[in-house]
Amino acid sequence: SQQGEEDPQALSIQEGENATMNCSYKTSINNLQWYRQNSGRGLVHLILIRSNEREKHSGRLRVTLDTSKKSSSLLITASRAADTASYFCATDAKINAGGTSYGKLTFGQGTILTVHP
Amino acid sequence: DAGITQSPRHKVTETGTPVTLRCHQTENHRYMYWYRQDPGHGLRLIHYSYGVKDTDKGEVSDGYSVSRSKTEDFLLTLESATSSQTSVYFCAIRRRTADYNEQFFGPGTRLTVL
Repeated sequence: SQQGEEDPQALSIQEGENATMNCSYKTSINNLQWYRQNSGRGLVHLILIRSNEREKHSGRLRVTLDTSKKSSSLLITASRAADTASYFCATDAKINAGGTSYGKLTFGQGTILTVHP
Repeated sequence: DAGITQSPRHKVTETGTPVTLRCHQTENHRYMYWYRQDPGHGLRLIHYSYGVKDTDKGEVSDGYSVSRSKTEDFLLTLESATSSQTSVYFCAIRRRTADYNEQFFGPGTRLTVL
């Protein structure tokens, strides 16, 4: 099963409202990342939060991480129609001492966000 | 876009035929990845490479092989395509930044196996 599970699967809001998406994961991680995908396009990296960080901001994005609950949330404030896209969390799993992760990421199934003008 | 291109961008083929997808990068990155994306499954790692001739299997590698004979090209081959391999395939590279292990994706290849 997927390391990252996202909730909700779909979210529909009006422009100007905030959008919150949640991600849960199962194993220990080095970091957790959020990506965005516009319809028919490749994924674009949004923000990365390390396992020793609890909150991170980038523009209108706010990411939180709770390693005790193995969960993260992405908040988009003052949403715009242009934010309409799918959003994915991805985890970089912690490897045992002596191991190499090779940068592999495990992606969640994504949240489809629709922002209505 | 990290200088990543994928070819072809669209392909329709028949069951049982071999198919090769190409990922090309222009920035000399060491790590490259192939994913498939299907509704309800998100992105799943097929194979990855950590250098020329250095490759390994990902989560869903059955029915796929890869090759990397030079840094800039990472090829994904379906030896005998099946309908279950109808999907959108994305290539990605790992770029060394201040926040290590960010991945940058190509535009994708939409493959239909009839």
